[in-house]
Amino acid sequence: NAGVMQNPRHLVRRRGQEARLRCSPMKGHSHVYWYRQLPEEGLKFMVYLQKENIIDESGMPKERFSAEFPKEGPSILRIQQVVRGDSAAYFCASSPTGTGASRRTQYFGPGTRLLVL
Amino acid sequence: ILNVEQSPQSLHVQEGDSTNFTCSFPSSNFYALHWYRWETAKSPEALFVMTLNGDEKKKGRISATLNTKEGYSYLYIKGSQPEDSATYLCASLPDSGAGSYQLTFGKGTKLSVIP
Repeated sequence: NAGVMQNPRHLVRRRGQEARLRCSPMKGHSHVYWYRQLPEEGLKFMVYLQKENIIDESGMPKERFSAEFPKEGPSILRIQQVVRGDSAAYFCASSPTGTGASRRTQYFGPGTRLLVL
Repeated sequence: ILNVEQSPQSLHVQEGDSTNFTCSFPSSNFYALHWYRWETAKSPEALFVMTLNGDEKKKGRISATLNTKEGYSYLYIKGSQPEDSATYLCASLPDSGAGSYQLTFGKGTKLSVIP
């Protein structure tokens, strides 16, 4: 059973470009979470999605950032017009269906390291 | 305590030594405490999920305890081995309200086991 997959693992963008980060949850998981780790900081929650629904985006910057989890395909975190401050490691996690189980373990991917030049 | 705090920030031990480190978390509106083991360039690996006061969990040489009343958890490693070298993260999950699905992480304790 493959774990949470993220790609690309490393992404370099110039200021003003767009960054698209992809996350494929574990098989059978329908809950996806995105976290960001800025340099010298801990992991910080960004957004929680279920299939075709954003449940909680309270940790997401209001501008330039968006996330989706379509019915088919991976979850996408999109950053428009990137700035140097967006340089960070972005982690995706998934958890199984169901209220109780979904609030227990979140399984993490290896992250995407974004560098904005 | 408003945030999740971990101490020490880093730790060097000799192979064979036992060690422990601390995670402090807000004790109000608490649902669960998660421990993860994170090796560089890999995915954080779930170790334990703990919910009840007095909980003790064990996985091989690694164990953890939980005190929800005072808001702390200890992670113990018995007879450290070089392969235990990693960053150990703890994260709390609130019981209800806005953000009840958000894990709040500490900055981690980086353990280096010297052969």
